[in-house]
Amino acid sequence: GAGVSQTPSNKVTEKGKYVELRCDPISGHTALYWYRQSLGQGPEFLIYFQGTGAADDSGLPNDRFFAVRPEGSVSTLKIQRTERGDSAVYLCASNSRGDGGELFFGEGSRLTVL
Amino acid sequence: DAKTTQPTSMDCAEGRAANLPCNHSTISGNEYVYWYRQIHSQGPQYIIHGLKNNETNEMASLIITEDRKSSTLILPHATLRDTAVYYCIVRARDTGRRALTFGSGTRLQVQP
Repeated sequence: GAGVSQTPSNKVTEKGKYVELRCDPISGHTALYWYRQSLGQGPEFLIYFQGTGAADDSGLPNDRFFAVRPEGSVSTLKIQRTERGDSAVYLCASNSRGDGGELFFGEGSRLTVL
Repeated sequence: DAKTTQPTSMDCAEGRAANLPCNHSTISGNEYVYWYRQIHSQGPQYIIHGLKNNETNEMASLIITEDRKSSTLILPHATLRDTAVYYCIVRARDTGRRALTFGSGTRLQVQP
């Protein structure tokens, strides 16, 4: 379909490893958001892109987390030196206006750090 | 953004209306009320939003009290597929921070 696509859907890694999660937003959507959701909790904001630039990265928990969107479409969330506490579902969303209201979410990437 | 309070969980019989309440007593004049839902193992789905007038779309109705301190999301004829976590979010449209802040939501269980 034409929705937000996230890969991989599941990723199992070992503590200390590097992980990349990919988001392909809806075509033409200039705004892209990353959220993280732990079990039983609501989604927690990580970072927001307007075009190629990170307009708000205040939700990134520490400098092990980094995200890029080099051509203003696909985005990659990168996690260095993974820890067990990074285990969560990582959600990506996009919208066309960048006002953050009506977001279209992907199915998420479930990350498990052993 | 204003804080919201929702019940942790609710049950509803299939075919009946589901009325999900949300308190947002500190809402300010430029803040909208948004509702999303999240079905198990899926990403959140936008349902509806409003400022002060009641709103209706193909999914639901949103009733906002006159003082705007609370609102109710109404699913007129709940089905088993409506079982999900429902999030009420209050947010200004012109905020510099362009992301929604989700709380814990209400877990709605539609019973057959």
